[in-house]
Amino acid sequence: GAGVSQTPSNKVTEKGKYVELRCDPISGHTALYWYRQSLGQGPEFLIYFQGTGAADDSGLPNDRFFAVRPEGSVSTLKIQRTERGDSAVYLCASSLRGTGNSPLHFGNGTRLTVT
Amino acid sequence: AQSVTQLGSHVSVSEGALVLLRCNYSSSVPPYLFWYVQYPNQGLQLLLKYTTGATLVKGINGFEAEFKKSETSFHLTKPSAHMSDAAEYFCAYNFNKFYFGSGTKLNVKP
Repeated sequence: GAGVSQTPSNKVTEKGKYVELRCDPISGHTALYWYRQSLGQGPEFLIYFQGTGAADDSGLPNDRFFAVRPEGSVSTLKIQRTERGDSAVYLCASSLRGTGNSPLHFGNGTRLTVT
Repeated sequence: AQSVTQLGSHVSVSEGALVLLRCNYSSSVPPYLFWYVQYPNQGLQLLLKYTTGATLVKGINGFEAEFKKSETSFHLTKPSAHMSDAAEYFCAYNFNKFYFGSGTKLNVKP
């Protein structure tokens, strides 16, 4: 079946602009995660949805970052007033339950470059 | 704080040699542990996951991991490395949310 789909695969934007990154999870998966990965680093947790609600948004670095999942399926990560330090690969993952040994299934990521 | 620690950011082995990638976790309760692999410009792919009650877990591509509660370890092994195993490997832990280690890059020499 279809895996986790992330669009766009690459995004180049100018400092100060607004960007939206989209994630389409595996059908039926209730949990959805966003991570950020910089070169040579492990995935850094941003936010976790269980259904439509953000179960944990403690990883969002500041109020320029916001994510939604209005119908409990597709999610959008929104970054306002982008900064060069926001440049990274943004990974989305979904999980059937999100708890216990239910694994995460990752998309291929969106590479964001802020110039 | 809950965490996983991967010892060695880079590991280099010869083709055909044993692969051993180390992961230790901190927790006072039995965790839910996973190993993921990441090839260049791709997302993370699940290699294997710990199942309660099992000590040796088999995964894809000939990898396996041994859960040792007494040592709080979940090391990843493969008896014979292939060139195609060259990638970055992440140990992960689920306790209310997923935590990832900093990763180990595996280089396989011909």
